[in-house]
Amino acid sequence: EDKVVQSPLSLVVHEGDTVTLNCSYEVTNFRSLLWYKQEKKAPTFLFMLTSSGIEKKSGRLSSILDKKELFSILNITATQTGDSAVYLCALQLAGGTSYGKLTFGQGTILTVHP
Amino acid sequence: KAGVTQTPRYLIKTRGQQVTLSCSPISGHRSVSWYQQTPGQGLQFLFEYFSETQRNKGNFPGRFSGRQFSNSRSEMNVSTLELGDSALYLCASSGQGSKFFGPGTRLTVL
Repeated sequence: EDKVVQSPLSLVVHEGDTVTLNCSYEVTNFRSLLWYKQEKKAPTFLFMLTSSGIEKKSGRLSSILDKKELFSILNITATQTGDSAVYLCALQLAGGTSYGKLTFGQGTILTVHP
Repeated sequence: KAGVTQTPRYLIKTRGQQVTLSCSPISGHRSVSWYQQTPGQGLQFLFEYFSETQRNKGNFPGRFSGRQFSNSRSEMNVSTLELGDSALYLCASSGQGSKFFGPGTRLTVL
């Protein structure tokens, strides 16, 4: 089974804090790693990472992939209560039998208190 | 561009019944995949369609089936519903390598 492990499983912070969410995996042959934010509805796309060492940024969120050490991190600076959500990491594997399939981690539940 | 749409948004069925869920991908996207999300198992892959062909299938029983039409709209069907089929069913539309999810259909089986 292709494993994707996220840590921590849950995190409680106060507004203004910076958080780092981790996603580690065991597969070496994959097309991309994707991050999603899920509130009480469907996952919202955040980032797609394909190359090691290149940071993707969107406002207060940023993410980077390390293909040598097999992990990715998602950073959120100056957190706000609206950042409270489950953050999901997913791998899109390579190879014909992997079409369309994302393998998800268990998610990190982030709670931001005012 | 309009996002992924799914209908219905909520559904209540009883055991033994069957259900059909619908998904319309983002315009221009030809790949549609389906996922089941439950509190215990998280997000699990059901199947993927591209140009009306199923290219991949997850580890679900044959009661779960799907199809895709020439306009890329997709449907999934679950027959002989079981209590354990209660879940959020998500459809994802693929473009530029990324996947964008629809709002989901919340299925409750009583």
